[in-house]
Amino acid sequence: KAGVTQTPRYLIKTRGQQVTLSCSPISGHRSVSWYQQTPGQGLQFLFEYFSETQRNKGNFPGRFSGRQFSNSRSEMNVSTLELGDSALYLCASSLKPGVQYFGPGTRLTVT
Amino acid sequence: KNEVEQSPQNLTAQEGEFITINCSYSVGISALHWLQQHPGGGIVSLFMLSSGKKKHGRLIATINIQEKHSSLHITASHPRDSAVYICAVKRRDFGNEKLTFGTGTRLTIIP
Repeated sequence: KAGVTQTPRYLIKTRGQQVTLSCSPISGHRSVSWYQQTPGQGLQFLFEYFSETQRNKGNFPGRFSGRQFSNSRSEMNVSTLELGDSALYLCASSLKPGVQYFGPGTRLTVT
Repeated sequence: KNEVEQSPQNLTAQEGEFITINCSYSVGISALHWLQQHPGGGIVSLFMLSSGKKKHGRLIATINIQEKHSSLHITASHPRDSAVYICAVKRRDFGNEKLTFGTGTRLTIIP
């Protein structure tokens, strides 16, 4: 079975722009979670989607949003990018609670 | 004070040594996860615990709910165990379930 894939792997954007990141979960997995990892804050939970519905949400501003499609693929959008949004964005999928499979991440650099 | 504290922050050991990494948390949780992150950024989910002890190969994870403490042990450590080990707790916050991460323990095993 193919693992979790994320596209693009690397991205450079300018402050003020918006960005969309994509995550394809393992086939059959209906839950997708998104995380942000920075050197200063470490790993932080963004949100979780299950069957196209946002099930849980972390403490991030409204500039961070996401959605999940009927095929379980998920996208994350960040609007009005700030320098502090530079990070590794990870998604993880799961079939059942507790066991998450992480993708390789998208490294976003905001200049 | 962080809700999840890990110790030590850095650990260097000789190949073959028994390794212990500790995680303490200050909130009520429904589960605790141990994750492994390799230098390239890829994250692997090692264990999810809600009580007791789990073992997988040379890795053992224990949790003491009353003391709000978990340990990850590695027996017969090997250079390929060199990675950052991250503890994360799952808790409910105003009806919202989310993961909160520790800052990680960087483990280096010297041949």
